[in-house]
Amino acid sequence: AQRVTQPEKLLSVFKGAPVELKCNYSYSGSPELFWYVQYSRQRLQLLLRHISRESIKGFTADLNKGETSFHLKKPFAQEEDSAMYYCALRLDGANNLFFGTGTRLTVIP
Amino acid sequence: DARVTQTPRHKVTEMGQEVTMRCQPILGHNTVFWYRQTMMQGLELLAYFRNRAPLDDSGMPKDRFSAEMPDATLATLKIQPSEPRDSAVYFCASGSDSFNEQFFGPGTRLTVL
Repeated sequence: AQRVTQPEKLLSVFKGAPVELKCNYSYSGSPELFWYVQYSRQRLQLLLRHISRESIKGFTADLNKGETSFHLKKPFAQEEDSAMYYCALRLDGANNLFFGTGTRLTVIP
Repeated sequence: DARVTQTPRHKVTEMGQEVTMRCQPILGHNTVFWYRQTMMQGLELLAYFRNRAPLDDSGMPKDRFSAEMPDATLATLKIQPSEPRDSAVYFCASGSDSFNEQFFGPGTRLTVL
């Protein structure tokens, strides 16, 4: 069965330090991977998707099919990056998403 | 600025009571999703609709939960009877076949005493 794993529930880094939020998935087909973010008192919103291969707010994520990973990275964390981050998987031809359990990132000033 | 709306935003009720949560998807979106967010499980898909037809409700406890879309502008999630373990934040999201992003509502925070 398909699954998304985010091994860290909580992650704290200092401002200016690199940050990496881990995401691993299990799916035998062609996956579509996303990162969603929920800032304090805001709605859950899309941060980035692997097919776009874009950098949003300094974050990037590369799909590694060999390691079945889609880790989210930023070279220099900012205080405004503090939020809840969810990795999500969409299966071939499906509309619904499978979310991981989320990682709460805290950037310490 | 089109947004998904959900009512109520907060609900406190007693065990055994019926709870109805409502969602208005973004106009023109043809897919609607219900999720439950808890600390332990994260975001779990409860049910989703495409063109108002239920496609998957396997994540929903069938004995007490029900989800419907009486029309294209309204989706409902009902719990009857409610139990303390149902306490969570319930999110509605809508999307479209044309793109693969889901747009989330603000959520309903449910507390069952």
